[in-house]
Amino acid sequence: AQSVSQHNHHVILSEAASLELGCNYSYGGTVNLFWYVQYPGQHLQLLLKYFSGDPLVKGIKGFEAEFIKSKFSFNLRKPSVQWSDTAEYFCAVSSYNTDKLIFGTGTRLQVFP
Amino acid sequence: EADIYQTPRYLVIGTGKKITLECSQTMGHDKMYWYQQDPGMELHLIHYSYGVNSTEKGDLSSESTVSRIRTEHFPLTLESARPSHTSQYLCASSDRRGDEKLFFGSGTQLSVL
Repeated sequence: AQSVSQHNHHVILSEAASLELGCNYSYGGTVNLFWYVQYPGQHLQLLLKYFSGDPLVKGIKGFEAEFIKSKFSFNLRKPSVQWSDTAEYFCAVSSYNTDKLIFGTGTRLQVFP
Repeated sequence: EADIYQTPRYLVIGTGKKITLECSQTMGHDKMYWYQQDPGMELHLIHYSYGVNSTEKGDLSSESTVSRIRTEHFPLTLESARPSHTSQYLCASSDRRGDEKLFFGSGTQLSVL
């Protein structure tokens, strides 16, 4: 069965620090990969997605993620975080032709000024 | 055990029928959400509620309607189902106070013939 693991449950950073949130999935076939973000008091939003092509995907607000097929990973990165990046971040995976989106358990990011 | 439940898991129905997708959570969460997802694609928010008697439309226009008469219950209704409504519908909830972490139901896969 497909599964998604986010190993960092809670990350605390100072502004301008670099960020990398881990995401690993288990599925042997072709996958679509997503990172979602939920800011305090708001609903879930799509940060970026990978379907095919360049494994380095750039999203909104300076975020990027790299798909490494051999490691079954899709880590989220940002070179310099801001206080406004404080949020919950969810990694999600779907296989190419199924109806189900599998979410990780989420990583709570707190950025202090 | 506190959780969020969606029924039915799968629904195949003919055009023109009225359907209601059920969503209940036992965590006492104030916020509840309905998302729509096409196979392999990202989620789109179609409805949300911040408490009893509060409902709002989401980012994606939908012909469905919702109600929030009780905190734990957030059903979604389609008055007259059409093939274009075929999709996966995911319900989620989160606590208004502090932690914004989302909890997802297992989803309802709707097929309208």
